[in-house]
Amino acid sequence: AQKITQTQPGMFVQEKEAVTLDCTYDTSDQSYGLFWYKQPSSGEMIFLIYQGSYDEQNATEGRYSLNFQKARKSANLVISASQLGDSAMYFCAMRGGSSYKLIFGSGTRLLVRP
Amino acid sequence: ETGVTQTPRHLVMGMTNKKSLKCEQHLGHNAMYWYKQSAKKPLELMFVYNFKEQTENNSVPSRFSPECPNSSHLFLHLHTLQPEDSALYLCASSQGGGIQGPVGKLFFGSGTQLSVL
Repeated sequence: AQKITQTQPGMFVQEKEAVTLDCTYDTSDQSYGLFWYKQPSSGEMIFLIYQGSYDEQNATEGRYSLNFQKARKSANLVISASQLGDSAMYFCAMRGGSSYKLIFGSGTRLLVRP
Repeated sequence: ETGVTQTPRHLVMGMTNKKSLKCEQHLGHNAMYWYKQSAKKPLELMFVYNFKEQTENNSVPSRFSPECPNSSHLFLHLHTLQPEDSALYLCASSQGGGIQGPVGKLFFGSGTQLSVL
């Protein structure tokens, strides 16, 4: 069975600082993909970044980077130079093998302080 | 402007009512999904349609009935719901055929906030 765990229900960060949101996963699949989504108060889930299990380099998308440690089964999201607009819920998700299922963690609420 | 549009944004219904949620995607995708997001719980996958065929029913009660008339439209028909069904219902779409990698990422609508009284 696949499982995603996000152990930080809430996080604070000062504007312009970096923050790391934790995500660990469990799967028996050899091939899988890891996703991070942002959910602002409007409700829409916004795709941020993707990491494939066979990707040798950590994924980066602008201010977002993914710290992928395969042996530890962790896929932490790093947001650099936090902005007030980064305040939102952040979800880690995984899809294994050829499955259609995208399994989500419980989320982390990030609040950026001015 | 999101590529996935959900209506209505908010819905209040009694337990004996029948209502439908609508989802439309303009992204040319072939897979569509219903997720339920309850307070303090992870998103729960309800149904998956791929090329109009249902490929996943995640043990959802029969009071939720999905319909996918074509690859661009997805409905969730609701009848005799319970108060615990109150939640945010999110629709999503992706490239079909089980495509993996970032190309297979899901695009979400803004959801329908459902309250069952």
